[in-house]
Amino acid sequence: QSALTQPASVSGSPGQSITISCTGTSSDVGGYKYVSWYQQHPGKAPKLMLYDVSNRPSGVSNRFSGSKSGNTASLTISGLQAEDEADYYCNSYTSSDTWVFGGGTKLTVL
Amino acid sequence: QVQLVQSGAEVKKPGSSVKVSCKASGGTFSSYAFSWVRQAPGQGLEWMGRVIPMFGSVKYAQKFQGRVTITADESTSTAYMELSSLRSEDTAVYYCVRVDYRGVIINAGKFDPWGQGTLVTVSS
Repeated sequence: QSALTQPASVSGSPGQSITISCTGTSSDVGGYKYVSWYQQHPGKAPKLMLYDVSNRPSGVSNRFSGSKSGNTASLTISGLQAEDEADYYCNSYTSSDTWVFGGGTKLTVL
Repeated sequence: QVQLVQSGAEVKKPGSSVKVSCKASGGTFSSYAFSWVRQAPGQGLEWMGRVIPMFGSVKYAQKFQGRVTITADESTSTAYMELSSLRSEDTAVYYCVRVDYRGVIINAGKFDPWGQGTLVTVSS
């Protein structure tokens, strides 16, 4: 199972919006609603930000939103803040009854 | 609120095995699944496998088949990951994480919460 494809890096200025894509296949992202996103700050464990494409756990800011079209899922962060600077990973269930992560995207807040 | 507490850092020789534990507290253990995810230095997250304690059901990523064993002890609410035939490329932080299953059915595709991570260093 190959890792899902994410851009290596994205950047934006405070207050702007950015979108991170996560591309898979019909056997993972395209075939299931079980796509989630994780934020990871250096030296810390990942934190769940979105699950089932667009659902936010309690406590996660509504500046984080998600969508999916075909084999590509997207994470959008609006009103960028300095604290959003981190690595972001997508994750999907697969037709092999396994899970697969994306390669990760480093978000820089300029 | 469920908390996952993992065992401490390990230093292992190439060819040996390591077993990492993950104890859950503050919530229901058996009805969820527990996955193990690793992260090599400077690299991304890699799913290794999962166990559903209620059924003892396991599933492994193809890459680790034959080398990893994931188990769970319901009596102590503890999940384990054992990796054998260690090589230098296995040096990584290993995380356990709860996955939202209800029995063998996925309830929601969310990995939460995560353990604090266990650094395993493989070096001669």
